Amino acid sequence: DSGVTQTPKHLITATGQRVTLRCSPRSGDLSVYWYQQSLDQGLQFLIQYYNGEERAKGNILERFSAQQFPDLHSELNLSSLELGDSALYFCASSVDLGGQETQYFGPGTRLLVL
Amino acid sequence: AQSVAQPEDQVNVAEGNPLTVKCTYSVSGNPYLFWYVQYPNRGLQFLLKYITGDNLVKGSYGFEAEFNKSQTSFHLKKPSALVSDSALYFCAVRDRYGGSYIPTFGRGTSLIVHP
Repeated sequence: DSGVTQTPKHLITATGQRVTLRCSPRSGDLSVYWYQQSLDQGLQFLIQYYNGEERAKGNILERFSAQQFPDLHSELNLSSLELGDSALYFCASSVDLGGQETQYFGPGTRLLVL
Repeated sequence: AQSVAQPEDQVNVAEGNPLTVKCTYSVSGNPYLFWYVQYPNRGLQFLLKYITGDNLVKGSYGFEAEFNKSQTSFHLKKPSALVSDSALYFCAVRDRYGGSYIPTFGRGTSLIVHP
């Protein structure tokens, strides 16, 4: 158990809908990262937050957004969902900004868009 | 820019035999290097990392990796494979002096250990 929790574990929804994925980092970790894992794209970095502020952006679509709250939990919002958004979404956390820090991954949320 | 390559999509090895999962990287400066493992329906788990110092890094579950600067490689090894080692392995790199704090992950190598 990494200490990172994600809810829900599974999510089935329809195209055009909006969903929110939640992540609680390990106690004491200030950085939260979101990744998308699909068979054809591999593990894609989406976005990083550090102590409530956005710090890095990767291949995140404009339909997707995220935020980190004062208690350091984070939410990833996916809107106008398309079939191609079906994937595993992982949250990871680290103590500091990154660099040499180890990232600890949550169990993921499996999203299926029908 | 930083990049990482895992040249093998799949590695097959018999139980009890040594295993190697290959990783090569490209950075403009010096690298931080990581190995993670993903078991089915689970998140990635940290195995080991190279920051500085000894080129041979020992990690969890008997795995080790050797940093080779001249060959820009960081291959993952284990002297004797177990069936339970079967999983997806990811190598990741971050340029120590790069502008991004985000490591770049390889596409992953599926390790299959046969009984």
